[in-house]
Amino acid sequence: AQKITQTQPGMFVQEKEAVTLDCTYDTSDQSYGLFWYKQPSSGEMIFLIYQGSYDEQNATEGRYSLNFQKARKSANLVISASQLGDSAMYFCAMREGQDTSYGKLTFGQGTILTVHP
Amino acid sequence: SQTIHQWPATLVQPVGSPLSLECTVEGTSNPNLYWYRQAAGRGLQLLFYSVGIGQISSEVPQNLSASRPQDRQFILSSKKLLLSDSGFYLCAWTRRGLNLPLHFGNGTRLTVT
Repeated sequence: AQKITQTQPGMFVQEKEAVTLDCTYDTSDQSYGLFWYKQPSSGEMIFLIYQGSYDEQNATEGRYSLNFQKARKSANLVISASQLGDSAMYFCAMREGQDTSYGKLTFGQGTILTVHP
Repeated sequence: SQTIHQWPATLVQPVGSPLSLECTVEGTSNPNLYWYRQAAGRGLQLLFYSVGIGQISSEVPQNLSASRPQDRQFILSSKKLLLSDSGFYLCAWTRRGLNLPLHFGNGTRLTVT
């Protein structure tokens, strides 16, 4: 079974509007971490935001926030006030608690976001 | 501050030729190191990771191998490339901790012809 599922291959949003990118995960660990990365066309991977399984509040970093619904095993990324520079591929990733010392992340297939002027 | 260097940026190699991609990290010691591969328009697949010198774990059996000859150096190799080895290869590092992100290099775009 896929550990990270991103069901939206592509999303479109108008500049200055908000957009939500979906991510669901599957783990039997009680302790885990969820990460979102941005990959522009240049290929670099940019870390955006982190949510821990025991965090009681949704994570926020500037225009990025995470809608974390633990019971549904979802960790959707919300980008507010979209900018043209937000056009990129976005990846959701998970680190299970059992992998803390190894540090490896499992990635979803990604969502391509296109921001229209 | 920590930086990660990965080279070359692009590489075109014929089928059957050898491969060596190198990655080095500066500004930290004893990092965890990783090689990921990304097929065109797809997600990242973990190939190898290392928690210390000479310690290599393989996630996917394949035509590739990895080595860590020094603390901050990680090398991805192949003796004979296949067409299916084409892709975007990313090296990454992190410190140990549930909440610590991976930091990626700029990647190597490999085309096997």
